[in-house]
Amino acid sequence: EADIYQTPRYLVIGTGKKITLECSQTMGHDKMYWYQQDPGMELHLIHYSYGVNSTEKGDLSSESTVSRIRTEHFPLTLESARPSHTSQYLCASRNPGTGGSGELFFGEGSRLTVL
Amino acid sequence: GDSVTQMEGPVTLSEEAFLTINCTYTATGYPSLFWYVQYPGEGLQLLLKATKADDKGSNKGFEATYRKETTSFHLEKGSVQVSDSAVYFCALSGPRYQLIWGAGTKLIIKP
Repeated sequence: EADIYQTPRYLVIGTGKKITLECSQTMGHDKMYWYQQDPGMELHLIHYSYGVNSTEKGDLSSESTVSRIRTEHFPLTLESARPSHTSQYLCASRNPGTGGSGELFFGEGSRLTVL
Repeated sequence: GDSVTQMEGPVTLSEEAFLTINCTYTATGYPSLFWYVQYPGEGLQLLLKATKADDKGSNKGFEATYRKETTSFHLEKGSVQVSDSAVYFCALSGPRYQLIWGAGTKLIIKP
């Protein structure tokens, strides 16, 4: 069973609020990812990290930011939430594997609703 | 660039029917291939994977064979159950340590 945790699972907030979605893993994986997904729909990569102090933007433009100060922790922050940010956010970490064989482990997701 | 194409859903079957969900890919080199499953309200879970041509991944009665000649990785199960209802995603290992994802196929199993 994967050891990757996301909090909160559900969040309803008003427009303009600042929020942080937490993601932690205990597997010591260097590579971590944030995806945005409308439930059951395509996954869109918004941020990724290769290790401590390494963060990159993904394919989908996002107004969120991330940080990676510790290997196990990869939080995502929205400075000013808007209704268009309403979605599910999935955090994942990657098993190193060899030659690209490592799989991703996912958290259970954070479902955000912005009113 | 690398890409994954899955059959569109939803796929609706009766319990105990045979399942195939098609997945084809375009990639340079020899990527690893994955199937993930997402149950309602949850994150994704790895269902199976294959790392080289002709490998067969299997788990929970599901199977998929890495076919290099047809660039395919179709998911099959001989007898589906209501509990298999979920969204299934095909993916390959792409550049920059990222996975390239298919759009997902929703599977509905009726009792």
